[in-house]
Amino acid sequence: AQSVTQLGSHVSVSEGALVLLRCNYSSSVPPYLFWYVQYPNQGLQLLLKYTSAATLVKGINGFEAEFKKSETSFHLTKPSAHMSDAAEYFCAVSDSGGSNYKLTFGKGTLLTVNP
Amino acid sequence: DGGITQSPKYLFRKEGQNVTLSCEQNLNHDAMYWYRQDPGQGLRLIYYSQIVNDFQKGDIAEGYSVSREKKESFPLTVTSAQKNPTAFYLCASAGTGGNEQFFGPGTRLTVL
Repeated sequence: AQSVTQLGSHVSVSEGALVLLRCNYSSSVPPYLFWYVQYPNQGLQLLLKYTSAATLVKGINGFEAEFKKSETSFHLTKPSAHMSDAAEYFCAVSDSGGSNYKLTFGKGTLLTVNP
Repeated sequence: DGGITQSPKYLFRKEGQNVTLSCEQNLNHDAMYWYRQDPGQGLRLIYYSQIVNDFQKGDIAEGYSVSREKKESFPLTVTSAQKNPTAFYLCASAGTGGNEQFFGPGTRLTVL
């Protein structure tokens, strides 16, 4: 069975500081990995995805994530936080076989950006 | 303009009543999903469907029912058997390959 652990349910940074949101996964097969963002009372929007191509994945809004198989991690980073980045972020995993099309989500990390 | 629509945005229900949440997509996706979101618990899968006229239970299906009579539509019924139905409900869809899911804007259900 797959699982996702997001370390830190709440992360607070200052505007202009580095953003680092942590995600570790477990999967018995090569995974597909995703980061989604959710603004209050809205649906989820895909930030980026890893599907076994380049290990460093660039996404929207200046975010990127690096797949590290040896560490089973897929941490999300952004060099300089902006006030508009304040939202909840979810990491998700699925198996690359994709036959059941299911995603397993982490519990989310709420990012607060202080002026 | 392609996407997923959910209606209504906010829904209030009295205890003991069934209520149906609508989800429609025009992305020509085969797979559709329903999730429940509660604070601090992430997204939990209720039901999913990979093809018309077929669907499977997710992790928390008790007290819910679905149908998939058309490719574009995947309505969710919250029955009176669901003990704690107040939550934010999200619908999603996915095409073949990549497993990327696209989400609707959600319906917030409150039981009074």
